[in-house]
Amino acid sequence: ETGVTQTPRHLVMGMTNKKSLKCEQHLGHNAMYWYKQSAKKPLELMFVYSLEERVENNSVPSRFSPECPNSSHLFLHLHTLQPEDSALYLCASSVAGGGETQYFGPGTRLLVL
Amino acid sequence: RKEVEQDPGPFNVPEGATVAFNCTYSNSASQSFFWYRQDCRKEPKLLMSVYSSGNEDGRFTAQLNRASQYISLLIRDSKLSDSATYLCVVTLHNTDKLIFGTGTRLQVFP
Repeated sequence: ETGVTQTPRHLVMGMTNKKSLKCEQHLGHNAMYWYKQSAKKPLELMFVYSLEERVENNSVPSRFSPECPNSSHLFLHLHTLQPEDSALYLCASSVAGGGETQYFGPGTRLLVL
Repeated sequence: RKEVEQDPGPFNVPEGATVAFNCTYSNSASQSFFWYRQDCRKEPKLLMSVYSSGNEDGRFTAQLNRASQYISLLIRDSKLSDSATYLCVVTLHNTDKLIFGTGTRLQVFP
């Protein structure tokens, strides 16, 4: 299935590096999301973009910086991360409007050393 | 109190068994309800939406009790391929924000 793609699939970075995660959706949706999934914790919503505007920022540290240049693409820029930021980062998309099914990408598994 | 609470399991059941998962949510303003399935090291995928009247999809039946703020998922005639983590998910009224439970892990054995 290629509805929502994410690159890279795996990433190892040092605390001083800068990297970006990329998400692309091919479903004609107009809302996109970043989630963080850590072991033994529920998925945590990080950011929501609806119609290319950020509508939700769930108290995420500024070392995570999202960018949504258009309704099909979403980026998560990373800089000066901490080891506790190691997790699976999932992108999702949906039709905007509340209560719609979200479709997830395969995720980027991030390890911060 | 967690916004969405599930028994983490694991539930270990033999093939052919019937298994039920329960979920409670804390916000009475929750509007939409879903069960997602997540296989090991894969992304979550929608299993089914949950409606007030209850709904069935093959071997899977979902129920919603708004008064008790309780959602259930029943799996009949379990298959080995049903082994996964089942995530209970709710949304608040008029938002795109999904709130996930920690998931219930199911292991079906031969």
